Amino acid sequence: GAVVSQHPSRVICKSGTSVKIECRSLDFQATTMFWYRQFPKQSLMLMATSNEGSKATYEQGVEKDKFLINHASLTLSTLTVTSAHPEDSSFYICSARASNGNEQFFGPGTRLTVL
Amino acid sequence: AQSVAQPEDQVNVAEGNPLTVKCTYSVSGNPYLFWYVQYPNRGLQFLLKYITGDNLVKGSYGFEAEFNKSQTSFHLKKPSALVSDSALYFCAVRAYTNTGGFKTIFGAGTRLFVKA
Repeated sequence: GAVVSQHPSRVICKSGTSVKIECRSLDFQATTMFWYRQFPKQSLMLMATSNEGSKATYEQGVEKDKFLINHASLTLSTLTVTSAHPEDSSFYICSARASNGNEQFFGPGTRLTVL
Repeated sequence: AQSVAQPEDQVNVAEGNPLTVKCTYSVSGNPYLFWYVQYPNRGLQFLLKYITGDNLVKGSYGFEAEFNKSQTSFHLKKPSALVSDSALYFCAVRAYTNTGGFKTIFGAGTRLFVKA
């Protein structure tokens, strides 16, 4: 099946710094990528949908300036958590949907810890 | 307000028996409905979705779900459970909110245990 990777898998940063997470589709072209956040009680939240070459569409309640998303190519989307604070600590997951398909393929997730 | 409920934290089923994982929702408009699965030590996987059309949706690994508008439910089913189906299952609903914009909400998840 299609493979989606995320880098880094884990990151620890100081409060106030910015962190970038990469999501790559390794063997297919993804016109659409999704970013999710998984909270400690295991519930998921869709943060935004990004389409290659255009601005991301954020879900209601998600701060655009806080969570910057860039989808510069058909195989790469990045999520930057700006001025991170401890409450941003979470598990961030991306998924990608191929240009010619309906199915989503998920990355393994990135564990962010903000001290 | 928009909401999704998975009323069971855990479902236990014997291998070979049919399984049902329940999901009910509350939205103001027409919903898009999804099921995802998270296997132990593995990432999330998409199982199936309902957008429009036939109320019975067939997905990956032999799973299916039925959209029931009157009961506002989208229960996940499989005729014969396998031990390898043991995982965490999430239901999600996407709908247009009355304050503008789409919102996708996930249920808290249901852990399925299939015993051999």
